Amino acid sequence: QKEVEQNSGPLSVPEGAIASLNCTYSDRGSQSFFWYRQYSGKSPELIMFIYSNGDKEDGRFTAQLNKASQYVSLLIRDSQPSDSATYLCAVISSGSARQLTFGSGTQLTVLP
Amino acid sequence: EAQVTQNPRYLITVTGKKLTVTCSQNMNHEYMSWYRQDPGLGLRQIYYSMNVEVTDKGDVPEGYKVSRKEKRNFPLILESPSPNQTSLYFCASRRPLSTGGHYGYTFGSGTRLTVV
Repeated sequence: QKEVEQNSGPLSVPEGAIASLNCTYSDRGSQSFFWYRQYSGKSPELIMFIYSNGDKEDGRFTAQLNKASQYVSLLIRDSQPSDSATYLCAVISSGSARQLTFGSGTQLTVLP
Repeated sequence: EAQVTQNPRYLITVTGKKLTVTCSQNMNHEYMSWYRQDPGLGLRQIYYSMNVEVTDKGDVPEGYKVSRKEKRNFPLILESPSPNQTSLYFCASRRPLSTGGHYGYTFGSGTRLTVV
């Protein structure tokens, strides 16, 4: 079982819609969760981080964390064509090394 | 500007010819890491370092070496590159969990390596 799982997509939404991206993780002791956006051929860029259960909003982005169910999600409101990218979920493990493990990413396309 | 700098951006080499990819960060981060990214496999950690002279293997360390003699630098060494090491490589750095602010990794621009 992969430590961090995401639907690979591709996910297509029309411009202006809400895009919903989901991620599950296997390490119940994980404490820190991140969403990165990666454009083709570019490096991952951190767009959201969440450490506590519940919702965290930043502009058009909302991260949601449910530790009991071991899932984290990212909502993008009013999606724009410029949001078209691969979104990577990442989790810091509970081990002593506290390393960041990535999911394989969900490719999002926002259709004009 | 706070950043992670990798060099070179592109590299084509031949099998068996030793190479080094450099990585430097100016954020005084303790943690540094190397990832490789391959289609369908996502980002996989090669090696990481929690501080100067402290390094450890990630998920795919075979064929790679690293060193951390200074806090800002974390070079990746391929002693005898092989075609299966053709990939997109990223260096990244972050602060420890005990400090304030976010502690997600900040990534360099990447190095696209081709081994023929």
